[in-house]
Amino acid sequence: DSGVTQTPKHLITATGQRVTLRCSPRSGDLSVYWYQQSLDQGLQFLIHYYNGEERAKGNILERFSAQQFPDLHSELNLSSLELGDSALYFCASSVRAGATTYEQFFGPGTRLTVL
Amino acid sequence: AQRVTQPEKLLSVFKGAPVELKCNYSYSGSPELFWYVQYSRQRLQLLLRHISRESIKGFTADLNKGETSFHLKKPFAQEEDSAMYYCALSLPQGAQKLVFGQGTRLTINP
Repeated sequence: DSGVTQTPKHLITATGQRVTLRCSPRSGDLSVYWYQQSLDQGLQFLIHYYNGEERAKGNILERFSAQQFPDLHSELNLSSLELGDSALYFCASSVRAGATTYEQFFGPGTRLTVL
Repeated sequence: AQRVTQPEKLLSVFKGAPVELKCNYSYSGSPELFWYVQYSRQRLQLLLRHISRESIKGFTADLNKGETSFHLKKPFAQEEDSAMYYCALSLPQGAQKLVFGQGTRLTINP
C-alpha cells in the first residue's frame, strides 16, 4: 500500500496506561499530521511534523507527545490515559498542491478505546 | 480564531434530488477551503478544493467571501453519495493545519 498507513487499527487499554500509535506517510511526503476525531469534539488537529521537526501544535494535551523519525514515520504517544481520550486518531501526510496549498492524504485511523 | 461551521449534522434527500451541504467559516485572512468525504469504512479523502474550481463526482463548491461560505452542491443526488462530508479550512503560509467542521452525514434515499 503506497498510501498512508497506521498501526494498530484498534487499541483497547485501561485508564492510566500509555500507548503508542504509529504512522507511515506516503512515499516522498515529508509532512505528517495527527488529528483526533471524537464524538463531542469532531476532527481536531493535534500536531504537524515536517522532515523530523515540529512545525505546528494544535489542541494537543501535555500528556500527549509525538515525534517523526529519520525514515519519516511518526509516532504519537498518549500517556496517563483517561476515558475521554477514547477516539479515532488519524494521521495524514501531504504533498504540495499549489503555491501555498498542501493536499493532505489521510490514513485509515487507529481507534483507541480506554476502559 | 479560525472556525468552520457545518450547521446540519444530518441531511437526508431522495435520489435525483438536489443536494446542498452548508459550510460557513470565520477567518480574517485569505482562506483555502476544502471538502473531504468519508464513505462507510473508508478513510477520509479529498473531494474538492476551492482553488481548483473543479467538479468532482458532480459536486461543486463556490467560495463566497462576502458570506464566508463554501457550500457543497450537486444537482442530482445518487445513492453512492451517502457518506460523511467535512468542510475544512487550511491556514496558509506554512501552518498547513486543517480546521474541520463537525461534519454532515448525508443519506440518499432510493
